[in-house]
Amino acid sequence: DTGVSQNPRHKITKRGQNVTFRCDPISEHNRLYWYRQTLGQGPEFLTYFQNEAQLEKSRLLSDRFSAERPKGSFSTLEIQRTEQGDSAMYLCCGDRARTDTQYFGPGTRLTVL
Amino acid sequence: QKEVEQNSGPLSVPEGAIASLNCTYSDRGSQSFFWYRQYSGKSPELIMFIYSNGDKEDGRFTAQLNKASQYVSLLIRDSQPSDSATYLCAVNGGGSTLGRLYFGRGTQLTVWP
Repeated sequence: DTGVSQNPRHKITKRGQNVTFRCDPISEHNRLYWYRQTLGQGPEFLTYFQNEAQLEKSRLLSDRFSAERPKGSFSTLEIQRTEQGDSAMYLCCGDRARTDTQYFGPGTRLTVL
Repeated sequence: QKEVEQNSGPLSVPEGAIASLNCTYSDRGSQSFFWYRQYSGKSPELIMFIYSNGDKEDGRFTAQLNKASQYVSLLIRDSQPSDSATYLCAVNGGGSTLGRLYFGRGTQLTVWP
């Protein structure tokens, strides 16, 4: 158990709907990352936060995606107007400053019908 | 484009054998290297990390790094059926993308009794 929790664990939605996922890292995790993983692929970086500051966003993160980390604690990832291509496992992970070891939460599996 | 390549497998070994997993990476600026294990339907689990050239051993696992050849490998000794999973190689970005990880597509390992 890495101590990183994600909710919900599964989400089924219809195309065009908005969805929001939540990640709760442990308190020592200054840095928080979001990745997306599709079947047969490795995780792909989406964005990362150091405390509450969003320091980097991937080109994969279109304007339909937004992420926040208010107060440097939990984080949310919102997808607006979902498309079938958004179906994937969304993974959150945390690491502590000055270490590079990233620990994943259990993930949220999104299915867009 | 930073790339991480893994032998695609699947790799099948008998119980008790040594499983050898290989990975090459394109970015010479990368500083940290990781192996994650991922069971079907689950999130990746960190099993090894290595920063310096040479070998690093942890129980039945040995990670090997050769920065000159841009090559990292994972050896699993005395393989067990419970080691059957997909193994993901991950490399940190280095330079301006320090922090985010780049993953290979993974190698599927099956250990048969």
